[in-house]
Amino acid sequence: DGGITQSPKYLFRKEGQNVTLSCEQNLNHDAMYWYRQDPGQGLRLIYYSQIVNDFQKGDIAEGYSVSREKKESFPLTVTSAQKNPTAFYLCASSMGGQGSYEQYFGPGTRLTVT
Amino acid sequence: GNSVTQMEGPVTLSEEAFLTINCTYTATGYPSLFWYVQYPGEGLQLLLKATKADDKGSNKGFEATYRKETTSFHLEKGSVQVSDSAVYFCALKDAGGTSYGKLTFGQGTILTVHP
Repeated sequence: DGGITQSPKYLFRKEGQNVTLSCEQNLNHDAMYWYRQDPGQGLRLIYYSQIVNDFQKGDIAEGYSVSREKKESFPLTVTSAQKNPTAFYLCASSMGGQGSYEQYFGPGTRLTVT
Repeated sequence: GNSVTQMEGPVTLSEEAFLTINCTYTATGYPSLFWYVQYPGEGLQLLLKATKADDKGSNKGFEATYRKETTSFHLEKGSVQVSDSAVYFCALKDAGGTSYGKLTFGQGTILTVHP
């Protein structure tokens, strides 16, 4: 079955540590996205990538980094510079270009930093 | 910039009641509009979409009509079920420009349906 996988589902880290969240898709989509979701709020875009080896900052990129070395993979690193990293992180993908293509979402990773 | 405003929740209904969740937007040009649903602890699933004015998206008994004159995309269902309990997000996608592909989300509306 085609889809998006995120691992792990729950992640716990100590303050000051970097942590990398995995996102893999087998939908052959060109574009991939990372969102952050906080309780009672909508989704906020962290980074997005329209094509391999290229990515753009979203609305809240500070304290995060990404890479896009393969079409299928778009890992997100939450660095120690992110002041409030505890949140639910969602990865998504879509066909590229300017069409009205919907985004498909993974199941999410809940990160807790103490 | 683009923005999406949803009616504040939570919304609590009895089974078989009529549902409306209001959504209005601000955008330049002709964006595409979406409704996503999120069940507890899960990612978002596309519920329906509309890509041009007067289009009606529909799925699983839910409907929404793209109204450009009122910049709205209200979600409706004639008879809700307990299994419809979830968080509903309205979103828009730019028609083009430097931010193409990016979705702008509303804050979400929590729906709880009681038997």
